[in-house]
Amino acid sequence: KAGVTQTPRYLIKTRGQQVTLSCSPISGHRSVSWYQQTPGQGLQFLFEYFSETQRNKGNFPGRFSGRQFSNSRSEMNVSTLELGDSALYLCASTLTSGKEAFFGQGTRLTVV
Amino acid sequence: DQQVKQNSPSLSVQEGRISILNCDYTNSMFDYFLWYKKYPAEGPTFLISISSIKDKNEDGRFTVFLNKSAKHLSLHIVPSQPGDSAVYFCAASGRETSGSRLTFGEGTQLTVNP
Repeated sequence: KAGVTQTPRYLIKTRGQQVTLSCSPISGHRSVSWYQQTPGQGLQFLFEYFSETQRNKGNFPGRFSGRQFSNSRSEMNVSTLELGDSALYLCASTLTSGKEAFFGQGTRLTVV
Repeated sequence: DQQVKQNSPSLSVQEGRISILNCDYTNSMFDYFLWYKKYPAEGPTFLISISSIKDKNEDGRFTVFLNKSAKHLSLHIVPSQPGDSAVYFCAASGRETSGSRLTFGEGTQLTVNP
């Protein structure tokens, strides 16, 4: 059974640009969550999507947005990039009734 | 407000001995707890979980203990192996939230010496 797949693995962007990250969940998992990991803040919840609807949202500015498609694949978008957005962005998928989240390998975003 | 805290940034143990990683939480609405292991530049790997209706859950070399009155949980790894060297994260989920939303601790770097 394939795991959670995130693309791309690495990305370098310039301040002010926007970026889109992609996540394909484990087959059969309908919930997709996104997390940001930075050295100073640890792992922080961004948002969760279920059945193409945002179900939970963390404390991040509106520059961070996401969406989910009918096949449960999800994308995360960050607009007007700032240096502080440099981080490892992790996607996790969960069974509909489960609490255990299974993570992808992450996308390392560097903003210069 | 750090709702999940792992007060030990690092832990070093000898191969074959027990590793005990600790985690404290403050939010009484948390009702499900998980442990993850993470290698650099990779995503966290789920290890073991426990519901608040239990006080112990065991899976092979890994056992998680939950003390609700103290708002404390711990992960025991017996026997410890060099391959267990990684960062371990404690995470919690609350009953007030539908779906999956995990609050993570800061992590503990475990080093198992051969």
